[in-house]
Amino acid sequence: DTGVSQDPRHKITKRGQNVTFRCDPISEHNRLYWYRQTLGQGPEFLTYFQNEAQLEKSRLLSDRFSAERPKGSFSTLEIQRTEQGDSAMYLCASSPGQGTGETQYFGPGTRLLVL
Amino acid sequence: GDSVTQMEGPVTLSEEAFLTINCTYTATGYPSLFWYVQYPGEGLQLLLKATKADDKGSNKGFEATYRKETTSFHLEKGSVQVSDSAVYFCALSGGVFTGGGNKLTFGTGTQLKVEL
Repeated sequence: DTGVSQDPRHKITKRGQNVTFRCDPISEHNRLYWYRQTLGQGPEFLTYFQNEAQLEKSRLLSDRFSAERPKGSFSTLEIQRTEQGDSAMYLCASSPGQGTGETQYFGPGTRLLVL
Repeated sequence: GDSVTQMEGPVTLSEEAFLTINCTYTATGYPSLFWYVQYPGEGLQLLLKATKADDKGSNKGFEATYRKETTSFHLEKGSVQVSDSAVYFCALSGGVFTGGGNKLTFGTGTQLKVEL
């Protein structure tokens, strides 16, 4: 069990550029979650997958954001036409997917800075 | 919708002092409750959890009891150490009636600093 990994750990981009982040969950975890955390705040839910199906999206996830989990393993989060307000830490988490009250295991996050 | 309210920080304590971080929640159904901790330079990790009313979660000397009547899940530790310095997040996930695949709703976090 190597834990949840995220890549890259840091990303600096210019406003208007597209960026893509990758998350590799703990193997055999069916559920995968994306959260966003800004300075001084708790993480906010963006979206989640059960295997390859995206089952819920937050209203925070504007149409510039898209997430995929094509084979039910790793996931990507893409932000198109980045804005300065997108600067945040993007966290990925996974859980076994066996019921309610499960522990979610978090990755180290990708810190995005939009200039 | 669901929400979590935590006491604001930062909280500064001397080593061996008693710690309480208050957490209250608003949720429908029967949520599960969590405390996550973020040590400096590290990712979020679960500290403890409770999945039903009156359950007590405990780990590393920390405890929290799920109080449905007061909708609270206060974090306590009898004697803090310098190594406990971190940011602590209270969170909930939906229960039977809310579905949503257990997405977590977090409080804003409480920074704890323990000094010698």
